[in-house]
Amino acid sequence: LAKTTQPISMDSYEGQEVNITCSHNNIATNDYITWYQQFPSQGPRFIIQGYKTKVTNEVASLFIPADRKSSTLSLPRVSLSDTAVYYCLVVRMEGNTPLVFGKGTRLSVIA
Amino acid sequence: NAGVMQNPRHLVRRRGQEARLRCSPMKGHSHVYWYRQLPEEGLKFMVYLQKENIIDESGMPKERFSAEFPKEGPSILRIQQVVRGDSAAYFCASSQIAGGGYNEQFFGPGTRLTVL
Repeated sequence: LAKTTQPISMDSYEGQEVNITCSHNNIATNDYITWYQQFPSQGPRFIIQGYKTKVTNEVASLFIPADRKSSTLSLPRVSLSDTAVYYCLVVRMEGNTPLVFGKGTRLSVIA
Repeated sequence: NAGVMQNPRHLVRRRGQEARLRCSPMKGHSHVYWYRQLPEEGLKFMVYLQKENIIDESGMPKERFSAEFPKEGPSILRIQQVVRGDSAAYFCASSQIAGGGYNEQFFGPGTRLTVL
């Protein structure tokens, strides 16, 4: 599976939009980009997944350019409760495969 | 519809003792994964099981660690003769029967193992 690279940490003020970019240069044709969120002392939680272009749900948007070598998770108007670690993963679309986590991006939202 | 359940949430063991971690998957899920997380690190895959079968144990240490998912009851991750380096958070995740495409993994709250 393609290795992912993302910033170690980011800070933001409440109400701002936060964009976390992840690079995955060696992504394969049948790989999807998936983002998980982890709060302290909790297990990771699925946020969003996409293959190309743009995906939006009630939590976030995911932007994937045509070459798919990178992706950007966008969190609109963050609040203090969005303080968490965000993991970018490349997932093989072959059913139940183990997830490969990097160190993630530690987002701190400041009042 | 209860999520993935793990118990205990916190477990303290002395060096040389055994640790047993339990995971009950979400209702209708027959695939279980165990991951380990050290402080300030991402989760590392250990083992993937279906009912009564180990599918992938490539991330499991060769000695002292074992896992099972019996026909009835929770999945168990067993660590024998624990050492201080085993101190970590252990997460279980479950997913549905594979039917093509991606099956989202749902994670439990984790068991935090401390070895004294």
